[in-house]
Amino acid sequence: DVKVTQSSRYLVKRTGEKVFLECVQDMDHENMFWYRQDPGLGLRLIYFSYDVKMKEKGDIPEGYSVSREKKERFSLILESASTNQTSMYLCASRPGQTMQGRDTEAFFGQGTRLTVV
Amino acid sequence: QKEVEQNSGPLSVPEGAIASLNCTYSDRGSQSFFWYRQYSGKSPELIMFIYSNGDKEDGRFTAQLNKASQYVSLLIRDSQPSDSATYLCAVSLSNFGNEKLTFGTGTRLTIIP
Repeated sequence: DVKVTQSSRYLVKRTGEKVFLECVQDMDHENMFWYRQDPGLGLRLIYFSYDVKMKEKGDIPEGYSVSREKKERFSLILESASTNQTSMYLCASRPGQTMQGRDTEAFFGQGTRLTVV
Repeated sequence: QKEVEQNSGPLSVPEGAIASLNCTYSDRGSQSFFWYRQYSGKSPELIMFIYSNGDKEDGRFTAQLNKASQYVSLLIRDSQPSDSATYLCAVSLSNFGNEKLTFGTGTRLTIIP
């Protein structure tokens, strides 16, 4: 079974802190994603990566950065946490362009609920 | 206009009835369509995938796609209380895995015993 693991389930940080959210997948997937999920707004894409050291901005990248030094690990960084970044953060991984159809399913981690105070 | 739109609900359906969930998308180039189910406090999990016009059935679930109308739906037959969850529609511009998935806001479904 595919496993996507996020380093923390719950996190409380102070305004202005630098925050690291870690995600690891064990299926050798090329593509990894960071979403945030807020009530009424659904899942919004922050950043994604289709290869090591490659990254693409999603729909709401402001205030975030990412790092992908190894294929299995994708980190989300909040440079200076703010209260409006309080949210549920979901990491996902997806196979690369050699896969089609149902095999392109995205698998999600368990989520990190971040509270910025 | 949102790229992927769903009625947020809540949608209440009696146990044993058919639940119908709808999704529209704005990009005519979209190729792949996914339905994810998310229980409260849990991560989304895939229940259906479709990329060809028409119906696709998997057990009690049927996905319907109409690319001309830019519309995809999910039918759940013989609804069970365990089907109570939020259903997320996701769309990709490619049939391959190297594309982002764009999600709708989700429809909250409640099955009434």
